[in-house]
Amino acid sequence: GAVVSQHPSWVICKSGTSVKIECRSLDFQATTMFWYRQFPKQSLMLMATSNEGSKATYEQGVEKDKFLINHASLTLSTLTVTSAHPEDSSFYICSALQYDRYGYTFGSGTRLTVV
Amino acid sequence: DQQVKQNSPSLSVQEGRISILNCDYTNSMFDYFLWYKKYPAEGPTFLISISSIKDKNEDGRFTVFLNKSAKHLSLHIVPSQPGDSAVYFCAASAGSGNQFYFGTGTSLTVIP
Repeated sequence: GAVVSQHPSWVICKSGTSVKIECRSLDFQATTMFWYRQFPKQSLMLMATSNEGSKATYEQGVEKDKFLINHASLTLSTLTVTSAHPEDSSFYICSALQYDRYGYTFGSGTRLTVV
Repeated sequence: DQQVKQNSPSLSVQEGRISILNCDYTNSMFDYFLWYKKYPAEGPTFLISISSIKDKNEDGRFTVFLNKSAKHLSLHIVPSQPGDSAVYFCAASAGSGNQFYFGTGTSLTVIP
């Protein structure tokens, strides 16, 4: 079945540094990937839609310059949290869409803690 | 390796009837489970959760059942309404707050 690998699964960083999270589709090509942020017991919040070879589409209220998304290939999208602050500490999840079936495959998430 | 599986990609149910969405998992360490509902072009929204100390949790028309020995959970919607038509994802984690593993979703269509 379709697998999306997300790395790292957890990361602790100092305030002011940048962190890169990778999302890879292992056995299918993902033209479109989604990045979500999850708060405890709440809905996944869509941050941005990433399309291969073009600029990401950000949801309202998400800072483009803070959350940099790159989707340079059909199997890899990256989210870079720049100049991280403690309030950026959260759970980030990516998802990839397969067009041959109506299915979204999710990565296992990255827990970011900014200290 | 898909640790959480939703083997039915789609389900159609008549309005007023019961919808039953199923989810299986392989990791016996999972002890917290959630169901999400997703409309097209929107992010998934949290629906209902259950921890492994329970075998049932009810919220209005939605009930989640957990069978730990079978590593199986199900979401029951009674009565089903056309507005329930969406994609439903189950997710599991080993402890609340830890990373979640999602199923691939079941598209529910409630026929008026």
